[in-house]
Amino acid sequence: NAGVIQTPRHKVTGKGQEATLWCEPISGHSAVFWYRQTIVQGLEFLTYFRNQAPIDDSGMPKERFSAQMPNQSHSTLKIQSTQPQDSAVYLCASSLGYNYAEQFFGPGTRLTVL
Amino acid sequence: AQKVTQTQTSISVVEKTTVTMDCVYETRDSSYFLFWYKQTASGEIVFLIRQDSYKKENATVGHYSLNFQKPKSSIGLIITATQIEDSAVYFCAMREGHTGYQNFYFGKGTSLTVIP
Repeated sequence: NAGVIQTPRHKVTGKGQEATLWCEPISGHSAVFWYRQTIVQGLEFLTYFRNQAPIDDSGMPKERFSAQMPNQSHSTLKIQSTQPQDSAVYLCASSLGYNYAEQFFGPGTRLTVL
Repeated sequence: AQKVTQTQTSISVVEKTTVTMDCVYETRDSSYFLFWYKQTASGEIVFLIRQDSYKKENATVGHYSLNFQKPKSSIGLIITATQIEDSAVYFCAMREGHTGYQNFYFGKGTSLTVIP
């Protein structure tokens, strides 16, 4: 079991460019979560999929951020027109989907917007 | 409003001693689940231990145990016989039991340093 895979591990973009982050959840896990981590804000929930369906995107900035899960083996987080304040570590996690199921985190993608 | 609060920003302890990290949570649900995670210096986040709200017994896994005080909405993490490799940031998290919005709420974390 390779665990949750996230690519790329590091991404540098210029202000105004687009960034797409990829996540491959653990096989058999039905729930996928995206988080953003910064020193100031800590770990912030962004969005959650269950069985590929978007369930809760209450943490997603309404403009410029979007997430998809086209199949059970991967999810993407897209940030359009990146801004310096988007610089953070973006973490993907997956779980079995039950309320009591712990989440398994990927290594994260460090996004730096210049 | 912060649903999960960790008031201790950082703690230092001497190796082989016991440390307790505090966490208080806020929920109106009668059923909820509490978790502790550890983030190492490399950034890796790993699950440590879970407490179900309906269970009276405190959960224990290895040298990690919980002090669940439901009336106080408190879930403390106790690490006994601390080791250097326990140095990390520890996050408390809560998941409410109702369906629909099922995101996790994380605390800001407590940084633990274990000194030789």
